[in-house]
Amino acid sequence: SQQGEEDPQALSIQEGENATMNCSYKTSINNLQWYRQNSGRGLVHLILIRSNEREKHSGRLRVTLDTSKKSSSLLITASRAADTASYFCATGTSTFNFGNEKLTFGTGTRLTIIP
Amino acid sequence: DGGITQSPKYLFRKEGQNVTLSCEQNLNHDAMYWYRQDPGQGLRLIYYSQIVNDFQKGDIAEGYSVSREKKESFPLTVTSAQKNPTAFYLCASNPLTANYGYTFGSGTRLTVV
Repeated sequence: SQQGEEDPQALSIQEGENATMNCSYKTSINNLQWYRQNSGRGLVHLILIRSNEREKHSGRLRVTLDTSKKSSSLLITASRAADTASYFCATGTSTFNFGNEKLTFGTGTRLTIIP
Repeated sequence: DGGITQSPKYLFRKEGQNVTLSCEQNLNHDAMYWYRQDPGQGLRLIYYSQIVNDFQKGDIAEGYSVSREKKESFPLTVTSAQKNPTAFYLCASNPLTANYGYTFGSGTRLTVV
């Protein structure tokens, strides 16, 4: 199974509501990252949280990380129609040389914002 | 604008044919990666390169080959040995700095006809 697994697989909410997505993983990590993918497009990096951080904010995004439970959540506040996309968590582990991380992606949450 | 350019956007391959997907970046990033994405699934790593003239196999390298002759370029060849090549292929880059997100191209959709 995937290192990162998102929950739920699909989520539909009304515009203006908050959206919460969860990610669970299995091994120790250096960081956890969230990416957005619009249909048929590449991924866009949203936010990165290090393993020694518990919460991070970026605009309308809030990410939490609980390393004891090996889980993370992404909260998007005041959702907009443009937030409709798939969201992936990716765990960074120190497998590569040069101190870089190998990213392992989950299967994603499909978010639909209803106008 | 700095970024990653993948071409072509759509590619059709006949059975038994090799095809090459292009990936070029002008971000001056040292590391480049190729991922495969199947419908409803996450990304799986095919190959990666952290320095010119060197590259490493990822989790699903069988049936694929790469080269890294220039820092800016990391082409992926899908060979006839890849039995199920129909997928969405994504190229990414990273400056080899810890705790730094990846930059992705817009992808190539490969279909076997």
